[in-house]
Amino acid sequence: GAVVSQHPSWVICKSGTSVKIECRSLDFQATTMFWYRQFPKQSLMLMATSNEGSKATYEQGVEKDKFLINHASLTLSTLTVTSAHPEDSSFYICSAGGADSFYGYTFGSGTRLTVV
Amino acid sequence: RKEVEQDPGPFNVPEGATVAFNCTYSNSASQSFFWYRQDCRKEPKLLMSVYSSGNEDGRFTAQLNRASQYISLLIRDSKLSDSATYLCVVKGLRFGAGTRLTVKP
Repeated sequence: GAVVSQHPSWVICKSGTSVKIECRSLDFQATTMFWYRQFPKQSLMLMATSNEGSKATYEQGVEKDKFLINHASLTLSTLTVTSAHPEDSSFYICSAGGADSFYGYTFGSGTRLTVV
Repeated sequence: RKEVEQDPGPFNVPEGATVAFNCTYSNSASQSFFWYRQDCRKEPKLLMSVYSSGNEDGRFTAQLNRASQYISLLIRDSKLSDSATYLCVVKGLRFGAGTRLTVKP
């Protein structure tokens, strides 16, 4: 079945530094990838939709200069949290869906970011 | 109006109970429907697709009502291990909040 690999699984960084999270589709081509954030006991919140070869589409309230998304190939999308602050600490999850709408989304295993 | 709406719960039920979740969606042209399960601090995982004629997988039954634009999930004979958040997913629409289920002994 479709597999999405996301790493790192967890990361602790200092305030002001940047963190890059990778999301790879291992056995299918993902024309579209999605990035979510989830705070404890809250629902998944879509941050942005990433399309291969074009600029990401950000949800309202998500700063595109803070959360840089790059989808350079059909199998890789990256999210970089720039100048991270403690309030950015969260669970970040990516998902991918192939061009065939029959299939649902496959999620990465998530990245737990803690900014200290 | 939210694109996908679910009752967030929580639903607290005893083991062995039957519980049903509903979800409504905004786009009448939507074609692909799924139920996902998310355990605490984990990523969502596909539970089952939802087909137009309804479908069953063991203790789980999913149904789709296109006219009313809602999807349901029925869990029979609940187990402790069914405790999770259940996400109704409609491809192309933003996720709803999910419904939290706790099955108690």
